[in-house]
Amino acid sequence: EEQVLESGGGLVQPGGSLRLSCAASGFTFSTCAMSWVRQAPGKGLEWVSTINHSGDRTNYADSVKGRFTISRDNSQNTLYVQMNSLRVEDTAVYYCAKRGWPGVLPSDLWGRGTLVTVSS
Amino acid sequence: DIQMTQSPSSLSASVGDRVTITCRASQGISNYLAWFQQKPGQAPKSLIYAASSLQSGVPSKFSGSGSGTDFTLTISSLQPDDFATYYCQQYNTFPFTFGPGTTVDIK
Repeated sequence: EEQVLESGGGLVQPGGSLRLSCAASGFTFSTCAMSWVRQAPGKGLEWVSTINHSGDRTNYADSVKGRFTISRDNSQNTLYVQMNSLRVEDTAVYYCAKRGWPGVLPSDLWGRGTLVTVSS
Repeated sequence: DIQMTQSPSSLSASVGDRVTITCRASQGISNYLAWFQQKPGQAPKSLIYAASSLQSGVPSKFSGSGSGTDFTLTISSLQPDDFATYYCQQYNTFPFTFGPGTTVDIK
């Protein structure tokens, strides 16, 4: 069964850092682009970042560009996002999603999410 | 950035009803349009990609259509499990953008 499982969320102060992980299983991770999507409490979905299958192409939403870094370890079937200079408005459930590349395929499998709370 | 709008923002319907949700893109996106279903406290679930292709395992009561800027999601014969929020998303270009969602609840 295909599965992605996020971890690493928690409470962090404004200006702090956090690294989220996403463990993938049940599919060939190294052939799939991967994405992070977030959802602020009571709000809609916001795409955050996508990385291609090999890890050499990345894209970011303007709201996180320069502060977040997406990466992957294909030997460990794991996706990451390093989040620095966190702001209150970054508070959200962060979802890891399989696939998602322009003009190819959207994300087709989502994890249950991990909650990031930025507050003093 | 491509802006996505959805209408209505919410609707009330009865079991057995046929429901149609509309999604509009601010510029042409060919057929690079996906639909997702999300229930409270759960992750989004992929329903449709390429505007009209059903994801594996999604029942045929869900259907999508459209191309360019105007798209629709139709649910035939609404069942209790279908009450949820539905989002469209364009994946034509980065940044990917979602519509604001349409909440379908029980009349």
